[in-house]
Amino acid sequence: DADVTQTPRNRITKTGKRIMLECSQTKGHDRMYWYRQDPGLGLRLIYYSFDVKDINKGEISDGYSVSRQAQAKFSLSLESAIPNQTALYFCATSDGSYNEQFFGPGTRLTVL
Amino acid sequence: GESVGLHLPTLSVQEGDNSIINCAYSNSASDYFIWYKQESGKGPQFIIDIRSNMDKRQGQRVTVLLNKTVKHLSLQIAATQPGDSAVYFCAENMSGGSNYKLTFGKGTLLTVNP
Repeated sequence: DADVTQTPRNRITKTGKRIMLECSQTKGHDRMYWYRQDPGLGLRLIYYSFDVKDINKGEISDGYSVSRQAQAKFSLSLESAIPNQTALYFCATSDGSYNEQFFGPGTRLTVL
Repeated sequence: GESVGLHLPTLSVQEGDNSIINCAYSNSASDYFIWYKQESGKGPQFIIDIRSNMDKRQGQRVTVLLNKTVKHLSLQIAATQPGDSAVYFCAENMSGGSNYKLTFGKGTLLTVNP
């Protein structure tokens, strides 16, 4: 069983639509992260959360919002999707020690 | 600003050869480094890590070397196999207070030829 799961795995949507990507983990980690990956740009941090009451912006948070519903769940929302948000999105978790991060399988989002 | 970068975006090797993937970092305060492997269609997978109080760490067929003098990190893969074909990322921990965030390099594509 996967420790970090993401739903959906693939999504095609239209400009202006609201989209939510969900992440769940069974690792018992306090820290959770959302990244986007674009060709040639590597992984860039969107938001991160060190516990249920802690939410922090990453380097590219504009156009995104997050919700930490529980220790095990961290969702990413695009309130009004735009084409340049087409990317691969990854959720990750860590236990807060030396910050090895465990990644989910990713969500491929296409905004038309 | 701070950055983590790679010297080579692509690397092609013959099966059985050793591979070396390089990474430069710019923050001398970074104290933890990780190498990740990402296969096509999958999320990044942890390979090996190293703390700044070490200069070498070995795993199974992999070795990470850290040179703090020149802010350079390398991943050595011994007897490279076709299953090693993937994109490899280095990541840097820019610690400060309680904010342990990783910053990733852009990745190197390793192709292993049979």
